[in-house]
Amino acid sequence: GESVGLHLPTLSVQEGDNSIINCAYSNSASDYFIWYKQESGKGPQFIIDIRSNMDKRQGQRVTVLLNKTVKHLSLQIAATQPGDSAVYFCAESTFRGSYKLIFGSGTRLLVRP
Amino acid sequence: SAVISQKPSRDICQRGTSLTIQCQVDSQVTMMFWYRQQPGQSLTLIATANQGSEATYESGFVIDKFPISRPNLTFSTLTVSNMSPEDSSIYLCSVVWERGNYGYTFGSGTRLTVV
Repeated sequence: GESVGLHLPTLSVQEGDNSIINCAYSNSASDYFIWYKQESGKGPQFIIDIRSNMDKRQGQRVTVLLNKTVKHLSLQIAATQPGDSAVYFCAESTFRGSYKLIFGSGTRLLVRP
Repeated sequence: SAVISQKPSRDICQRGTSLTIQCQVDSQVTMMFWYRQQPGQSLTLIATANQGSEATYESGFVIDKFPISRPNLTFSTLTVSNMSPEDSSIYLCSVVWERGNYGYTFGSGTRLTVV
């Protein structure tokens, strides 16, 4: 089948290591940010979100960091597992605007056993 | 959150023909969107589907090529018209749900191949 993320930048990590995926967003007015995971043949799967009044949010094994000064978002995955192999997208929207969700270019995460 | 049923899940179509993709949501939602994901790329917003009025298209997308209908708050269709191989992509429906807070849900996508 067709591969998602065939032409995207790839981050290769050893199983058990921590992964950090970075994203630069474009709109300084964006106030809501989401990280999605996409596996081949599937739609985007919500991982974690953060609103602009926060700079850090933690979930299960994942942490999102937001730096509004430089318009930068990162996703940290602790103890990366083979099941984490996928393409990861950041997305931004404006809650009080159009609600349009605009996606970043994506990063392919490859976990080595 | 809302649950989306998107049909068909995949199709192979002849160039010059049209395909209509359906998006059915299990609850009323305010906002519905259509995205395209070309091979190996990110998701690009095609348009916002407006209930009872013409869709709002993003730059690079036009109504003649991607007509959209949204007759009510739970259903929308996207038609890919006069298809060419360059239209081969995954097309996804997305909705905004609000239950005190708000979030986004995506359909599983329609994988379109034009031959």
